[in-house]
Amino acid sequence: KAGVTQTPRYLIKTRGQQVTLSCSPISGHRSVSWYQQTPGQGLQFLFEYFSETQRNKGNFPGRFSGRQFSNSRSEMNVSTLELGDSALYLCASSYRTAGANVLTFGAGSRLTVL
Amino acid sequence: EDKVVQSPLSLVVHEGDTVTLNCSYEVTNFRSLLWYKQEKKAPTFLFMLTSSGIEKKSGRLSSILDKKELFSILNITATQTGDSAVYLCAVEATYSGAGSYQLTFGKGTKLSVIP
Repeated sequence: KAGVTQTPRYLIKTRGQQVTLSCSPISGHRSVSWYQQTPGQGLQFLFEYFSETQRNKGNFPGRFSGRQFSNSRSEMNVSTLELGDSALYLCASSYRTAGANVLTFGAGSRLTVL
Repeated sequence: EDKVVQSPLSLVVHEGDTVTLNCSYEVTNFRSLLWYKQEKKAPTFLFMLTSSGIEKKSGRLSSILDKKELFSILNITATQTGDSAVYLCAVEATYSGAGSYQLTFGKGTKLSVIP
């Protein structure tokens, strides 16, 4: 059973550019969540998508956006990049049942903004 | 605002030692508490706890939740160098909106096990 796949694994951008990250969840998982991980702040919730709908959004500026496609694959976009956006971006998927919501994480996309 | 605090932030032990990692939380609409291990990149799931006082065990690792005092501990006995990692505690809560869930993570405990 394939895990959560994130692409690209590493990327370098300059300030002001934009970036799109992709996440393919585990087959059958309909919920995809995105987290930003930095040394200072740890893992912080960005947003969650379920059945192509954003269900919840964390406390990030509007430059951070995402979407989910009908096959549950998800993308997140960061526009007008700032130095502080350098981080590991982790995607996680789950079945999202009423009783349990264990997230399975991908290996992450390491973004460096110069 | 939901908050999860882990202690200690880092810990160095010798192989064979027993360690206890702590996680306290302040969360509205608590659903579950989860422990993850992060070695290189992807955090990997260890335990999910929903009921107070019931210990979850997996080999040398065990965890328990106290919903009255709002904390959890993760124990590792007979530590090995392969246990070196960052251990993350996360609390899941429900939010307004149809079936909306969110994990709030602590900053993690970095465990280093030396031979």
